[in-house]
Formats: sequence, structure tokens, C-alpha cells
Amino acid sequence: KAGVTQTPRYLIKTRGQQVTLSCSPISGHRSVSWYQQTPGQGLQFLFEYFSETQRNKGNFPGRFSGRQFSNSRSEMNVSTLELGDSALYLCASSFAYGELFFGEGSRLTVL
Amino acid sequence: AQSVSQHNHHVILSEAASLELGCNYSYGGTVNLFWYVQYPGQHLQLLLKYFSGDPLVKGIKGFEAEFIKSKFSFNLRKPSVQWSDTAEYFCAEHNAGNMLTFGGGTRLMVKP
Repeated sequence: KAGVTQTPRYLIKTRGQQVTLSCSPISGHRSVSWYQQTPGQGLQFLFEYFSETQRNKGNFPGRFSGRQFSNSRSEMNVSTLELGDSALYLCASSFAYGELFFGEGSRLTVL
Repeated sequence: AQSVSQHNHHVILSEAASLELGCNYSYGGTVNLFWYVQYPGQHLQLLLKYFSGDPLVKGIKGFEAEFIKSKFSFNLRKPSVQWSDTAEYFCAEHNAGNMLTFGGGTRLMVKP
């Protein structure tokens, strides 16, 4: 069974730009969550989608948004990038509560 | 708000030493707790989980954790570590849906 696939794996943007990250969950998983991982703040929850609906949202500004498609694939978007948005963005899919399967992440560098 | 604390940020052990990583959670109701591991260059993966029942939970690769409700703790243990256990370990508490609150992580280095 293929794992969670995230694209792109690495990207570099400049302040003020926007970025879209993509996540393909494990087949059959309808829940997709996004987390931001930084050395200073650790792993922080961004949002979770289930059957195309946002089910939970973390404490991030409105510049961070996401969506889920009918095939469970998900995208997250960050607009008006700031230096502090540099992080590893992790996607996780789940079939059952709490047992998350993580992708390898998309490493975003904002210059 | 729920919070998870991991008090050991860096741990260095020699092979065959015993390991115990501390984790404290804040929520006093029904808890679902997890330990995840991130090996160098790899994705986060589940080590073990506690939902209910036996407070001593066994996971993969010889790891176990004990849920002690009175202490709000869920410490991870392994009787004898190997060099391949070098990784970062995260304790997490389940919230609504599939939202997890993670601790700050503990970096374990095992010297051969």
C-alpha cells in the first residue's frame, strides 16, 4: 500500500509570495491533517479535513488555508509568505481516530 | 487548552542502556495517547498508542509505555536501546477528530 505522498518535497519562495502544497493520502483514508514543524515551535496542528469538510482548525492566521477534494487528496495554501513560515509542512492521513500516517513533508524556505 | 510536556529534550545513552522518556499531558478526561518516532531523514511513524484498558502498552521495536492517570503521565520505556533507536520521539494527545497535540520532542542519541 502506498504511503502518504507530499509534493513538492522542497521549495524556496520569497516574502509576499504564495505557495500551494499537495498531499495524497493512503488509499481509503478520508481524513487528512496538516501540521507545521519548526525547531522552535515543534509540531503544530494546522487543520484537518474529512470528506471535503474542514473538521478542525488550529491557531494559525487566515493566510493558511486548505481544501480537500472528492478523492481525498488535499492541498494547503499559504498566502503572503513571511520569513516565519519557513518550516516542514507535514500531511497525515487517517482511517481511525488518532492513528495518523505521515508523509515525508514539504520543506518550505522563505527568503 | 490541552498541552503535552516532554521534559527531556536531549538524551544520550550507550547501547544496551535502559531508556525512559517522560511525557505529561494536561487533559483530565478520557485520554488517547500516542508515541511517535522520527528516524533521521524519515517520516513520523507510530510507536504505540493507548486508548483504554491495560495501562501498560506495548509497541513496535520493543518499546512500551505506561499510562498513569494519577500522575498525568505516559512515559516511554525500552529495557535495552540499540544504535538504531537514535531518533526524535514525540508524545501526543488526541483531541477532536484527528487533531493531535504534540509534545516538544526528545532527541535520543545512542552511542555504539
